[in-house]
Amino acid sequence: GQNIDQPTEMTATEGAIVQINCTYQTSGFNGLFWYQQHAGEAPTFLSYNVLDGLEEKGRFSSFLSRSKGYSYLLLKELQMKDSASYLCAVREVGNDYKLSFGAGTTVTVRA
Amino acid sequence: NAGVTQTPKFRVLKTGQSMTLLCAQDMNHEYMYWYRQDPGMGLRLIHYSVGEGTTAKGEVPDGYNVSRLKKQNFLLGLESAAPSQTSVYFCASSSAGGPHHEQFFGPGTRLTVL
Repeated sequence: GQNIDQPTEMTATEGAIVQINCTYQTSGFNGLFWYQQHAGEAPTFLSYNVLDGLEEKGRFSSFLSRSKGYSYLLLKELQMKDSASYLCAVREVGNDYKLSFGAGTTVTVRA
Repeated sequence: NAGVTQTPKFRVLKTGQSMTLLCAQDMNHEYMYWYRQDPGMGLRLIHYSVGEGTTAKGEVPDGYNVSRLKKQNFLLGLESAAPSQTSVYFCASSSAGGPHHEQFFGPGTRLTVL
């Protein structure tokens, strides 16, 4: 299994930038996912990294360093609607595409 | 496409009662998963299926059973509910093809066991 750690809560101001870190330990890494989950709703897919580096998707970017077991999700130009929980999930090689999830980081955006 | 749907959305059970949660997907996905989500613990995998007629145990399978008789449906059963099974249950599905194999989640079932 994996140990996946991410901060419990973060608060930021509308229009600012927030970086959510995720560290993991795994014996056979095969991809890292970020999901967004608004309160009372289902998680929705945000980003996927399998190679080192930065993946950018509009206001959201995700970075991966496999040697350090580290990823971050960067949220730019924060909007009130970005208030949500952000889940880091890791997939291992040869395990039927199962994901192991971190406990999630609750981001609160204040005006 | 409806994506992944779950029924019921809410349920209250008494200790010892049984129930079945239904998950349906219309994306022709091979893989289906059942998770439970509890405060501070994230999503934990209960059981999963890699195709019609197959099931396998996840991280927290005790007290639950599953069946995948049709490709589009994945059922989660609680034979004798316990208060520790109070949780939000999410179903997810994913395709064997595609670049990411990301999982698509249903809206969840909120279960309370008294």
